[in-house]
Amino acid sequence: GAVVSQHPSRVICKSGTSVKIECRSLDFQATTMFWYRQFPKQSLMLMATSNEGSKATYEQGVEKDKFLINHASLTLSTLTVTSAHPEDSSFYICKTGGLDYGYTFGSGTRLTVV
Amino acid sequence: AQSVAQPEDQVNVAEGNPLTVKCTYSVSGNPYLFWYVQYPNRGLQFLLKYITGDNLVKGSYGFEAEFNKSQTSFHLKKPSALVSDSALYFCAVHHGSSNTGKLIFGQGTTLQVKP
Repeated sequence: GAVVSQHPSRVICKSGTSVKIECRSLDFQATTMFWYRQFPKQSLMLMATSNEGSKATYEQGVEKDKFLINHASLTLSTLTVTSAHPEDSSFYICKTGGLDYGYTFGSGTRLTVV
Repeated sequence: AQSVAQPEDQVNVAEGNPLTVKCTYSVSGNPYLFWYVQYPNRGLQFLLKYITGDNLVKGSYGFEAEFNKSQTSFHLKKPSALVSDSALYFCAVHHGSSNTGKLIFGQGTTLQVKP
């Protein structure tokens, strides 16, 4: 199956700064990347779907200006949390693949905003 | 609307005993169902999926799941639990077209296997 590399695994940033999270598809042309957010001991909530070469599609209630998604190539999708606040602290996970190939998740990024 | 429910927040079993983690679903059309496991501060690892075919699906690490259409269930099972199976388990249902669809997750069940 596809291999997805997600970086960084952990990041601590100050309020007001921006943080970029990368997901690289190592052996698969990821035309679509899904970004999820997970609060402690809770389920994964889909934030947005990024499509290579086009604008991302955001789920209801997700601020697109705060969570900037870029998917400029078939191997890289990025999520930038802009002007981060403590309430943005969470676990962010990317996912790619499809029903036929199976889905592959990144290893996740633990964001802590202080 | 597609939805998945995991009625148990936590399941406790003794090592060597069989385990069951429950999942029920609600979908329109054919259900495509998944089980994933998550260890602390890690992404999700695929265990198994049901697309079509045999109702009993065998997956990774000795896990299996039984698709029951009449009960709209897809319970995860293992004949003999290991302490290392202790983790967070998610049931999910696929939503949308085959290569651009979303996964909708249940709320997760923490499995605790005690020695």
